[in-house]
Amino acid sequence: AQSVTQLGSHVSVSEGALVLLRCNYSSSVPPYLFWYVQYPNQGLQLLLKYTTGATLVKGINGFEAEFKKSETSFHLTKPSAHMSDAAEYFCAVSDRPLGGNEKLTFGTGTRLTIIP
Amino acid sequence: DGGITQSPKYLFRKEGQNVTLSCEQNLNHDAMYWYRQDPGQGLRLIYYSQIVNDFQKGDIAEGYSVSREKKESFPLTVTSAQKNPTAFYLCASSFRARSTDTQYFGPGTRLTVL
Repeated sequence: AQSVTQLGSHVSVSEGALVLLRCNYSSSVPPYLFWYVQYPNQGLQLLLKYTTGATLVKGINGFEAEFKKSETSFHLTKPSAHMSDAAEYFCAVSDRPLGGNEKLTFGTGTRLTIIP
Repeated sequence: DGGITQSPKYLFRKEGQNVTLSCEQNLNHDAMYWYRQDPGQGLRLIYYSQIVNDFQKGDIAEGYSVSREKKESFPLTVTSAQKNPTAFYLCASSFRARSTDTQYFGPGTRLTVL
């Protein structure tokens, strides 16, 4: 069964500093990986996704993530944090089960706080 | 504008009552999903539908029911059998129910059972 672990339920960074949100996955087959962002009392919005091809994926709002198969990781980064980045971030994995139903499995989320 | 609407945004019900949450999409997506979100637990899949008149249970379907009579609508009923129904409920849709498809989310309904 696939699973996602997000290290750190809360992360605080100063405005202008590097943002690093960690995600490790477990999957029996090569996975598809997603990062979503959720602002307070709203739905989720896709930041970026990895399916095949280039392992460094660029998304919206200056975020990017790198798929590292050897480390089973898909960490999210942004070089310089902005106050508007304060939100909750979810990593998700989807695999291709043989004869099964394809679905997303979400991590428990990381709340990002930006310090002025 | 294309998107997903959920209504109402806030819903209060007395314990023991059934309640139905609305989800409508005008994205012409085949697949629709219902998730439940609780603090510190991420999103958990309740039900999903890959096509009209068909749906499958997710990981936490007990105490919930759905219907998919129209492509654009996927209402969720929270029944009195659901032991702890107070939560934030999110509806999503995707073009198909494939692993690579992006799921688009509605704004959510916060249900509080008194």
